[in-house]
Amino acid sequence: DAGVIQSPRHEVTEMGQEVTLRCKPISGHDYLFWYRQTMMRGLELLIYFNNNVPIDDSGMPEDRFSAKMPNASFSTLKIQPSEPRDSAVYFCASSSEGGNQPQHFGDGTRLSIL
Amino acid sequence: AQSVTQLDSQVPVFEEAPVELRCNYSSSVSVYLFWYVQYPNQGLQLLLKYLSGSTLVKGINGFEAEFNKSQTSFHLRKPSVHISDTAEYFCAVSEVGGSYIPTFGRGTSLIVHP
Repeated sequence: DAGVIQSPRHEVTEMGQEVTLRCKPISGHDYLFWYRQTMMRGLELLIYFNNNVPIDDSGMPEDRFSAKMPNASFSTLKIQPSEPRDSAVYFCASSSEGGNQPQHFGDGTRLSIL
Repeated sequence: AQSVTQLDSQVPVFEEAPVELRCNYSSSVSVYLFWYVQYPNQGLQLLLKYLSGSTLVKGINGFEAEFNKSQTSFHLRKPSVHISDTAEYFCAVSEVGGSYIPTFGRGTSLIVHP
């Protein structure tokens, strides 16, 4: 049973460049979450989708960040333009409907903005 | 809204010793509780969950946790740790009948020394 798949695993790019992170959730899961993890701020929820519809993007730090979910099996998180302070590990997670359902995390994308 | 406090940011322990990682939560309604583990360069994985019923919950890798409603706690325990248990541990809570979005604690780094 395939888990949540994220790509790329590592991304190094220069400030000002556009960055696109990709996620394939577990088939049949209704919810998809994007998180950012840093030493300073811990695990932060950026945005989540229910049935491909963005429900809450209040965690998105700035307008430079955007996320889409064009279908049930694919989501992207885009940063344009990127800045050094965006360097972090970005996780995608998915879950079935219900607060009693655990989240299933991908292995993350380690992003470094030079 | 719910909140989670993990009282220890780091817990060092010797191999084969017992360990307890503390988690306290705050909520005005009934809750679901989760413990996740994050190994280096990986995403979070579910260790165990409390949904209802028995307050002692057993998880993978020999871990267990006890739900204490009066103390609003959900501490994680293992009677004898291994070097391979070195990881970051996250407590999470979601509200029964509320949004499906769990709140995560800041994490506790368990460091097992030989």
